[in-house]
Amino acid sequence: GQQVQQSPASLVLQEGENAELQCNFSSTATRLQWFYQRPGGSLVSLLSNPSGTKHTGRLTSTTVTKERRGSLHISSSQITDSGTYLCAMATGGNNKLTFGQGTVLSVIP
Amino acid sequence: EAAVTQSPRSKVAVTGGKVTLSCHQTNNHDYMYWYRQDTGHGLRLIHYSYVADSTEKGDIPDGYKASRPSQENFSLILELASLSQTAVYFCATGAVSNERLFFGHGTKLSVL
Repeated sequence: GQQVQQSPASLVLQEGENAELQCNFSSTATRLQWFYQRPGGSLVSLLSNPSGTKHTGRLTSTTVTKERRGSLHISSSQITDSGTYLCAMATGGNNKLTFGQGTVLSVIP
Repeated sequence: EAAVTQSPRSKVAVTGGKVTLSCHQTNNHDYMYWYRQDTGHGLRLIHYSYVADSTEKGDIPDGYKASRPSQENFSLILELASLSQTAVYFCATGAVSNERLFFGHGTKLSVL
């Protein structure tokens, strides 16, 4: 079946450092989506990117569908960025998503 | 902001019992989804629906049924709950024209 692999599994940064999260997927994807899961469990959609580079605030998403990989760059990390970042791939127009296992980000003072 | 409300927020069920998880949306999205998340893992799709009175199987539908009686409501039904169905369940909605998904707060289900 379709698989999504995220790396690293966990990451610890000092406040102000940049983070680079990776996502690799096993089959052709129409787009990658990135989600943030708060420590309490709720999920927030961050970016949806079919290909190329997209920015929002301190977040930059890059998707290279031909190479089956994507990344999420977080600049100037803040303590409130701590949580789990989930990558998900879509393979059709019905928004069905296959999720990776997530990267747990901890930002410390 | 789109609103997706799940009930209950948590539930303890007995093995073999029937469990119904409910999801209600106020944003008029066509698509609704049920995902489950196991500790330390990503989300897996159980069932989804793109129109009222119709449901589709996701990647892990075994042991689950779904019901979409209206545009706003989508239920997940466990007829015979089992220990392996202990997980957090998330409902999500999405519009055809908008790739973004909106999630509920999740329902923590413990089957004992």
